[in-house]
Amino acid sequence: GQQVMQIPQYQHVQEGEDFTTYCNSSTTLSNIQWYKQRPGGHPVFLIQLVKSGEVKKQKRLTFQFGEAKKNSSLHITATQTTDVGTYFCAGGNSGYSTLTFGKGTMLLVSP
Amino acid sequence: DARVTQTPRDKVTEMGQEVTMRCQPILGHNTVFWYRQTMKQGLELLAYFRNRAPLDDSGMPKDRFSAEMPDATLATLKIQPSEPRDSAVYFCASGLVLSGRANEQFFGPGTRLTVL
Repeated sequence: GQQVMQIPQYQHVQEGEDFTTYCNSSTTLSNIQWYKQRPGGHPVFLIQLVKSGEVKKQKRLTFQFGEAKKNSSLHITATQTTDVGTYFCAGGNSGYSTLTFGKGTMLLVSP
Repeated sequence: DARVTQTPRDKVTEMGQEVTMRCQPILGHNTVFWYRQTMKQGLELLAYFRNRAPLDDSGMPKDRFSAEMPDATLATLKIQPSEPRDSAVYFCASGLVLSGRANEQFFGPGTRLTVL
């Protein structure tokens, strides 16, 4: 079955440093979504990418979808303590209404 | 502000007992998902429903888990009998799926289950 891998599993940065998490799928995706889960919380939708090579920005967050639609990345510029949490990517396949979640990247930001 | 609700938020039970978790999806959403989250396995899809009909429950251990959606405002996940390895956080999520493509999923707060 489809697998979605995320790296790194964990990253600890100083406030103000940049952060990037990468997502790779074993199959071509129709779309990819990103979620954030705060400690003790539940996953919250951030964004969806659909087009090959698509780039979207949300303030300090930049999301990219690879040209082959098999990989994606989330980049946070100048991290803040409020960015702490686990970031998940989730891949969708054409004709299917379910998502395959990666195992997430846990981000810790020290002040 | 529409939200998915889940009850109970925490459940501690003994091995062999029945556990029932409930979820109220967001009104108007046509698809409901049940996930299990553990440190080791991450987020695993257990089952999902479209317009209350079960579409896929291949992620669930069939001998002990069952999922139902008796009406549009209630989805249930039952474990009978429960085992210590079932300890996890169980999330319900709902979404509006159109044209068969996965769209944004709205997660509930989860039920943290501990089986002793």
